[in-house]
Amino acid sequence: GESVGLHLPTLSVQEGDNSIINCAYSNSASDYFIWYKQESGKGPQFIIDIRSNMDKRQGQRVTVLLNKTVKHLSLQIAATQPGDSAVYFCADPLLGGGTSYGKLTFGQGTILTVHP
Amino acid sequence: DAGVTQSPTHLIKTRGQQVTLRCSPKSGHDTVSWYQQALGQGPQFIFQYYEEEERQRGNFPDRFSGHQFPNYSSELNVNALLLGDSALYLCASSFRAGGGTGELFFGEGSRLTVL
Repeated sequence: GESVGLHLPTLSVQEGDNSIINCAYSNSASDYFIWYKQESGKGPQFIIDIRSNMDKRQGQRVTVLLNKTVKHLSLQIAATQPGDSAVYFCADPLLGGGTSYGKLTFGQGTILTVHP
Repeated sequence: DAGVTQSPTHLIKTRGQQVTLRCSPKSGHDTVSWYQQALGQGPQFIFQYYEEEERQRGNFPDRFSGHQFPNYSSELNVNALLLGDSALYLCASSFRAGGGTGELFFGEGSRLTVL
């Protein structure tokens, strides 16, 4: 079935390193993706989004890359800090028959651990 | 500016009981979505309320029902609780059913334990 998911369940990096979190999707009609971060004991927090008419979008210390050919997107975090330790989810609003952006289908998530 | 607030933060129920969870959206938002997050999993969409009507629904049984009030706040009701209903229930708010953006604002959730 259609899905959106992540390649690795955990990622461990040293403070100051760059982190790359990957996400594969299966719905070729998907044209909008969102990344969320969830810290322990908190609800998910929006990080950045990207539409299919873009290959790359940059935010503050984060960059999302979209490769529509292989249906893959990645979240890159520059100079990773301990405060970046969290679970990261990619989400697809159109997967599962969503008709608006309020219905998001989340993958399992990647746990990012940043060591000082 | 108050963000999304949920209550209660934690609760324990027994099988067969009923539970009501409450959510107040972020100021200026008129749409509320509910998600269930089991331990170690991503959030799963339950339903969305806009203009006091259920607009979209995920793959959840009728035991899960909701309501939205004129002030945009919302309730999630779960009847005949099962052990498998134990989870973190997240409320997310947005403006105009999230049109144009996938940026939802989540509360910190209500942790339900069913014994």
